[in-house]
Amino acid sequence: SQQGEEDPQALSIQEGENATMNCSYKTSINNLQWYRQNSGRGLVHLILIRSNEREKHSGRLRVTLDTSKKSSSLLITASRAADTASYFCATDEGNNRLAFGKGNQVVVIP
Amino acid sequence: GAGVSQSPSNKVTEKGKDVELRCDPISGHTALYWYRQSLGQGLEFLIYFQGNSAPDKSGLPSDRFSAERTGGSVSTLTIQRTQQEDSAVYLCASSWTGNSYGYTFGSGTRLTVV
Repeated sequence: SQQGEEDPQALSIQEGENATMNCSYKTSINNLQWYRQNSGRGLVHLILIRSNEREKHSGRLRVTLDTSKKSSSLLITASRAADTASYFCATDEGNNRLAFGKGNQVVVIP
Repeated sequence: GAGVSQSPSNKVTEKGKDVELRCDPISGHTALYWYRQSLGQGLEFLIYFQGNSAPDKSGLPSDRFSAERTGGSVSTLTIQRTQQEDSAVYLCASSWTGNSYGYTFGSGTRLTVV
């Protein structure tokens, strides 16, 4: 079943700006992960945040997790044209799979 | 290998024919997953393999779908008597042990049933 739901579903920004997208989910989780998918390619793992963590950084990426609100945000700072992609959140509910949202299309205009 | 390899990358088949999709995971990854992605949609879980344990087939949409994993490595997803609604991108992923680590995805097989 689809668990995470990204918001906004489409985002268009200028190069150099920050891009923020949110993910909401419904049940308790062990961890939440963000993935990027370029057109016609598979998904690439970006970052994993565990349920006992509140914030995590990786390069230009910053992820927050609020388990009380069942939500997460992904911030991409100083965006580049190469960041143009779809971004998916995925939740580990403790069963044998990650539940993926429908994705968030980000377009970075050079 | 360096990544997850899937073949073929594209497959066009006639309705009613059987197809086999192959996935070669990263060496040493014990967990292997198949997902399906329809146009503009998220990923739909199909099946999960973990080591020598019985697979979790709970996501397979019908009995026309089956999968196996030989020797804990290569996996084959078979769709019998294909239907037009089976058209999608089939993605394979592997992981060290499961959901506590990120998945490494292959580039997928785009299946078109005509």
